[in-house]
Amino acid sequence: TQLLEQSPQFLSIQEGENLTVYCNSSSVFSSLQWYRQEPGEGPVLLVTVVTGGEVKKLKRLTFQFGDARKDSSLHITAAQPGDTGLYLCAGLTYGGATNKLIFGTGTLLAVQP
Amino acid sequence: EAGVAQSPRYKIIEKRQSVAFWCNPISGHATLYWYQQILGQGPKLLIQFQNNGVVDDSQLPKDRFSAERLKGVDSTLKIQPAKLEDSAVYLCASSSEGSYNEQFFGPGTRLTVL
Repeated sequence: TQLLEQSPQFLSIQEGENLTVYCNSSSVFSSLQWYRQEPGEGPVLLVTVVTGGEVKKLKRLTFQFGDARKDSSLHITAAQPGDTGLYLCAGLTYGGATNKLIFGTGTLLAVQP
Repeated sequence: EAGVAQSPRYKIIEKRQSVAFWCNPISGHATLYWYQQILGQGPKLLIQFQNNGVVDDSQLPKDRFSAERLKGVDSTLKIQPAKLEDSAVYLCASSSEGSYNEQFFGPGTRLTVL
């Protein structure tokens, strides 16, 4: 069974602080996605990283795909209350005739004003 | 472009009753997914359709859950009979071919089984 473990599970910080969320697995993924989910809504795709070692920046968010394509990290600089939500990583694997997206365990972030 | 639509948004039923959820994916998206999400956790795939065929239902509790996508567009997910542990948010998502399975999610249906 392929598992994607995220850490920390919960994070409560003050506005302006920096944070990093980790997504780890023993399996290799062909690509990895990060989603953010706000209360009462479905997850929304933030970014897809494809190449081992790839770094992508989205304003104050920096995403990195591990060299071995087994792990990823999300770093947020100067967090704002609008960053509050559930952050989910999801790894794509090829399984026979279909591609399969495996979701991580989730990191719940609360940014206090 | 309209997003993924789901209804109802909320449903409260008693155990052993039946319930059905409806999903309309983004126009042109061939792949449709149903997920179950327990509060604060990652979504768990229940079933994946490619057009109107099932490509993965390995985690669908088939003794009580069923799903169909008759014309390759809309889909319904049914639970019969419901159990207390079925209380969760049921998310529908769709994706287009040729993408990295980048999925677009609906707002979900929050089911409470009493």
